[in-house]
Amino acid sequence: DVVMTQSPLSLPVTLGQPASISCRSSQSLVHSDGNTYLNWFQQRPGQSPTRLIYKVSNRDSGVPDRFSGSGSGTDFTLKISRVEAEDVGVYYCVQGTHWPPITFGQGTRLEIK
Amino acid sequence: QVQLVESGGGVVQPGGSLRLSCAVSGFTFSTYGMFWVRQAPGKGLEWVAFIRYDGINKYYAESVKGRFTISRDNSKNTLYLHMSSLRDEDTAVYYCVKDLAGYSNAWWGQGTLVTVSS
Repeated sequence: DVVMTQSPLSLPVTLGQPASISCRSSQSLVHSDGNTYLNWFQQRPGQSPTRLIYKVSNRDSGVPDRFSGSGSGTDFTLKISRVEAEDVGVYYCVQGTHWPPITFGQGTRLEIK
Repeated sequence: QVQLVESGGGVVQPGGSLRLSCAVSGFTFSTYGMFWVRQAPGKGLEWVAFIRYDGINKYYAESVKGRFTISRDNSKNTLYLHMSSLRDEDTAVYYCVKDLAGYSNAWWGQGTLVTVSS
């Protein structure tokens, strides 16, 4: 199984400042079809998760452009250029390349300082 | 407008059974594979099961294999999860999800809480 490791697990950020979350996989996430199925989900307090980014760097419809994804192979990053209050929640990376099983990172809790 | 509405959660004793349903609208259900994901209280997300669009291929997490069964009725636009031999560690909010892997648009239901307790 592919192990997904996120860091940090807790991320206190000042409003308006940038934030960055790392996600590393135990093996390359490049699929035989050439795509890399690494996705990012946001879960706000008390809500269901929603997807922010798919295939490393593609923003879902309606996702603010302050969110960006990057990376390749086994090393990926979610960046928020300027954190807003509505960004509080837990962020998960998830790989859809080598499955079953689909595997999630442990989650990174973003809070406002 | 896409909607995934789970139902069927509740309190069940260890060893008991429960069937969850997920009613889908807003997209062509019969052409997409579907997932169940769960989240134990205060914990992270865990993939539970997947079923192919036509119901032929099904995959399960090791933690539920042999105890849970995923199924679907494309004529009713409904996804199911039949859970048996329930354990304390199955206590979680169960979410119905369209596309977890990143192939197409992703949607989650609001979740339904299953509590296994004597």
